[in-house]
Parts: sequence; C-alpha cells; structure tokens
Amino acid sequence: AQSVTQLDSHVSVSEGTPVLLRCNYSSSYSPSLFWYVQHPNKGLQLLLKYTSAATLVKGINGFEAEFKKSETSFHLTKPSAHMSDAAEYFCVVSSGGSQGNLIFGKGTKLSVKP
Amino acid sequence: GAGVSQTPSNKVTEKGKYVELRCDPISGHTALYWYRQSLGQGPEFLIYFQGTGAADDSGLPNDRFFAVRPEGSVSTLKIQRTERGDSAVYLCASSAQGGPLTGELFFGEGSRLTVL
Repeated sequence: AQSVTQLDSHVSVSEGTPVLLRCNYSSSYSPSLFWYVQHPNKGLQLLLKYTSAATLVKGINGFEAEFKKSETSFHLTKPSAHMSDAAEYFCVVSSGGSQGNLIFGKGTKLSVKP
Repeated sequence: GAGVSQTPSNKVTEKGKYVELRCDPISGHTALYWYRQSLGQGPEFLIYFQGTGAADDSGLPNDRFFAVRPEGSVSTLKIQRTERGDSAVYLCASSAQGGPLTGELFFGEGSRLTVL
C-alpha cells in the first residue's frame, strides 16, 4: 500500500531564508508524487509533480522537490521564503490502483515571519 | 468564474438529517473527484467520476454516502442520516483528462459540513 509521511506538522521560517518541508513515502512500486498547497479559504493548488522523469522537479513560485529513491524521500524546498508562501502544504502519492485516488499526507503548516 | 464551484460553502445540519453538496466542475473537464478533509488531516479520497460513471467509489465510507453525475458535468454528493463524525470539509476537484498522472486536478474551495 502507498502512503506518505510528512515529518513536520508545523515549520516556521523568516522571510528570505530557505524553506525545507520533509516528506517520506512508502510504495510497492515506482510512485508518482505531488506537492499541493492550500492557502486559507482557497482551493488546493498543484505545486509540482514527479512521474518518473527527472528526479529534480521544479514547480511554481520557486519551489522544487527532489525524488530520492534510496531515501524514499520527496522533500520540498525553496531558496528564499516570501510572506505569501505561508500556507498548508501536502505531500501526495498516487495510489496507482485508480487514476483518481490520491493519498495525502497530514500536511505541514508553513509560517513565514517578517 | 472559471474555477471549480462548490455549494453551499457552509452547511450546518442536525444528526440524522439528509444533506446534498453540489460541485460544478470546470467546463469541459471529464474527470471529477470528491475528497473529504477532517480537521487536522489531509484530504481523503471518496469517489472519482469519468464522465457520468463512477470509475472508483472505493473511498465512500459506507452506504449512507452516494454521489451522482447524471449529465457528466455537475455532481452531487448525498449523505443520508448524517452523523457527527461526518463533519468535515468536502472537496471537489476536476481534471481535463483521465487523472492526476495525466492532467492537473483543480480543486474547489470546499463545502464545510457541520453535524450537530
């Protein structure tokens, strides 16, 4: 069975400093992985996705993630945090058994201090 | 607007009542999904439609939950005999193609259901 574990429920950074949101996955086969962002009172938005192409995936708003099979990780990073990055971030794996079934982590709330 | 629209945005009901939640997907999107997000948790899959048919309903928790999409556009999630544990935000998403591997899912803002 597929699953994801987000290692931090809350991360706080200062504006202009790097962001690291950690995610580990479990999958019985080569997974497809995603990061989604949820701003308050907004719908979930896709940041980036990995589907077995390049292991370093670039997304919107300067975010990127690296697929590391040996570590079963898919951490999300950004070199310099902006106030507008404050939101909830979800690491997601595709179940594989159904095209519609995404399995979400519990989320990491990112706070950005001025 | 051009995004996924969900109504109502908030619904408060009493235990045992019947509830309907509506989703208007982006025009032309053939795939439609329902997820449920409880407080402090990530969204959990409920059901996936491709056109008018439910391609995967394995996430529906029990037979009190039912969803339809009769014309391949608007979908309604129906919950009978609501229970306090049904309280959550119900999210709808649509996609132009078969699924998240081939096309991006666009989510609505959700319908917050509170069962008293």
